[in-house]
Amino acid sequence: GDSVTQMEGPVTLSEEAFLTINCTYTATGYPSLFWYVQYPGEGLQLLLKATKADDKGSNKGFEATYRKETTSFHLEKGSVQVSDSAVYFCALPTSGGSYIPTFGRGTSLIVHP
Amino acid sequence: DAGVIQSPRHEVTEMGQEVTLRCKPISGHNSLFWYRQTMMRGLELLIYFNNNVPIDDSGMPEDRFSAKMPNASFSTLKIQPSEPRDSAVYFCASTAGEAYEQFFGPGTRLTVL
Repeated sequence: GDSVTQMEGPVTLSEEAFLTINCTYTATGYPSLFWYVQYPGEGLQLLLKATKADDKGSNKGFEATYRKETTSFHLEKGSVQVSDSAVYFCALPTSGGSYIPTFGRGTSLIVHP
Repeated sequence: DAGVIQSPRHEVTEMGQEVTLRCKPISGHNSLFWYRQTMMRGLELLIYFNNNVPIDDSGMPEDRFSAKMPNASFSTLKIQPSEPRDSAVYFCASTAGEAYEQFFGPGTRLTVL
């Protein structure tokens, strides 16, 4: 079935460093792709999405480009802040036309001052 | 607007006791999901409802787990009897129609001693 694979964490960075969290997908066709973020003590919330190949999703300084050639949807931010410390989940709809997301294992990001 | 509301936020109980977790979805949302999150297994979908009807409960781990949605504004997840391996954070999420974006509640942290 359709799935996503994320890089394992934790990713530890200093404030203002550049961030990349890798996500690759396996899917039939070209499904929408998503990044969710989970701040400490909270539930997941949608961070950004891309609905077709070559689309770029962006929000709160984060970006991810839907690349069908490499089946990837890597999350990037040019300058991270301490407040970005969270767990980031890559996701895509469960196969078979479902609208239910399949989440990756999550990547923990820790940003130090 | 109120988001997804879950109660209690924390529950500590002893093995063998019954546990009931509660969820109020966002008004107007007609799909509701129960997830479990642990370090070992990550985020697991337990069951979801569409228009108050259970659609897929294949993620429910055992017969000790049951879920109900008596009306559009309320759902429960019950564990009876509880076991230490049920310790986890349980999330409820809701969506509007066949929308991909899920809105998560803050979660209930369950500890079974």
